[in-house]
Amino acid sequence: KQEVTQIPAALSVPEGENLVLNCSFTDSAIYNLQWFRQDPGKGLTSLLLIQSSQREQTSGRLNASLDKSSGRSTLYIAASQPGDSATYLCAVGVNNNDMRFGAGTRLTVKP
Amino acid sequence: DGGITQSPKYLFRKEGQNVTLSCEQNLNHDAMYWYRQDPGQGLRLIYYSQIVNDFQKGDIAEGYSVSREKKESFPLTVTSAQKNPTAFYLCASNHRRTDTQYFGPGTRLTVL
Repeated sequence: KQEVTQIPAALSVPEGENLVLNCSFTDSAIYNLQWFRQDPGKGLTSLLLIQSSQREQTSGRLNASLDKSSGRSTLYIAASQPGDSATYLCAVGVNNNDMRFGAGTRLTVKP
Repeated sequence: DGGITQSPKYLFRKEGQNVTLSCEQNLNHDAMYWYRQDPGQGLRLIYYSQIVNDFQKGDIAEGYSVSREKKESFPLTVTSAQKNPTAFYLCASNHRRTDTQYFGPGTRLTVL
């Protein structure tokens, strides 16, 4: 059974710092991998989707990488801003209907 | 505006009562999903539906029921058989070709 782990559970950085969030998964046979952002008490917003055949995706200050062989994905956030403060969730697609979510990393960017 | 709506935002239930959470989407998506989120845990899949009049159980379907009579709507009923229903419930949808899941704002259910 696919298990998804995100470490650390919480991270605090000063504004302007570049940072990396980590996601690891136990089964390399994945369909895709998606990074989401969740603000307190809100739904999830999709940030980046990486298909199984891809190695990375970029959107603005965000870059997500995927290494299936090692069971890892990273989300790189450049020049962090206080508005980036949120919980970031990693989800691994087992097939086109089933996704396994990590518990998330709660990010705080201090002004 | 296209999107997914969930209602109500907050819901309180007495023990022994059934309650129904609404989820509507106008994105013309084929697939719809219900997840449950508990503090400090990842989302867990309750039910999903790929097409109208068809749905499948997820990992934690016990104590829940769904229907998919219209493409736009996928209501979730939390029955009295669900022993620990207090949680944050999220509805999502996606088009088969893009796979990106879009989420509603969620319903927070509290059992009194």
